[in-house]
Amino acid sequence: VLLVQSGAEVKKPGESLKISCKGSGYNFPDYWIGWVRQMPGKGLEWMGLIYPGDSDTRYSPSFQGQVTISADKSIDTAYLQWSSLKASDTGKYYCATAGIGGDAFDMWGQGTMVTVTP
Amino acid sequence: QLVLTQSPSASASLGASVRLACTLSSGHSTYAIAWHQLHSDKGPRYLMKLNSDGSHTRGDGIPDRFSGSSSGAERYLTISGLQSEDEAEYYCQTWGTGLWVFGGGTKLTVL
Repeated sequence: VLLVQSGAEVKKPGESLKISCKGSGYNFPDYWIGWVRQMPGKGLEWMGLIYPGDSDTRYSPSFQGQVTISADKSIDTAYLQWSSLKASDTGKYYCATAGIGGDAFDMWGQGTMVTVTP
Repeated sequence: QLVLTQSPSASASLGASVRLACTLSSGHSTYAIAWHQLHSDKGPRYLMKLNSDGSHTRGDGIPDRFSGSSSGAERYLTISGLQSEDEAEYYCQTWGTGLWVFGGGTKLTVL
């Protein structure tokens, strides 16, 4: 099982962004995938979760309306996107599988660093 | 409200054992959790899933120096035979009622 995330991004405030997480070595549609943020010097924050099989998506109240999580099961890839970035979106973003039942994050991607600077 | 509480820091000597704690909020004492290790220069690493009865399942390749136990609303991660590479942050994580939650993390220093 492997999750490979897209590369680091440097963006300006107000720009849009979509980062990706590609799964391999397992039946991608059957396993929930979550997104987790780590701001500089801070801890891990759960952002949301998606079941690629039917795109059922759950958001943390803290991130609802701030980001959009999606998945394309035809190419085993999940996405996290912003329509208008803010400087406070700077951080490292991880995807992780959460099993068939959507519980423990049991396999992590390597992370994508997003820097938003004027 | 589903909340996990961890002490911000812990320390122990090389070769010794250390037990890190994670406390579930009131009303959630039967919840399972997971433990994750995070080095500053690497991505998180899943260590184990820990049930309320203390049974646990380690992730692939996780040595048996890492073990878990439970008591009431407390969930513990014990690391035996501490090695320098165990110096990292440790996060507990749980799930339920449509939410997934992380504790604040414990920074472990190996002396």
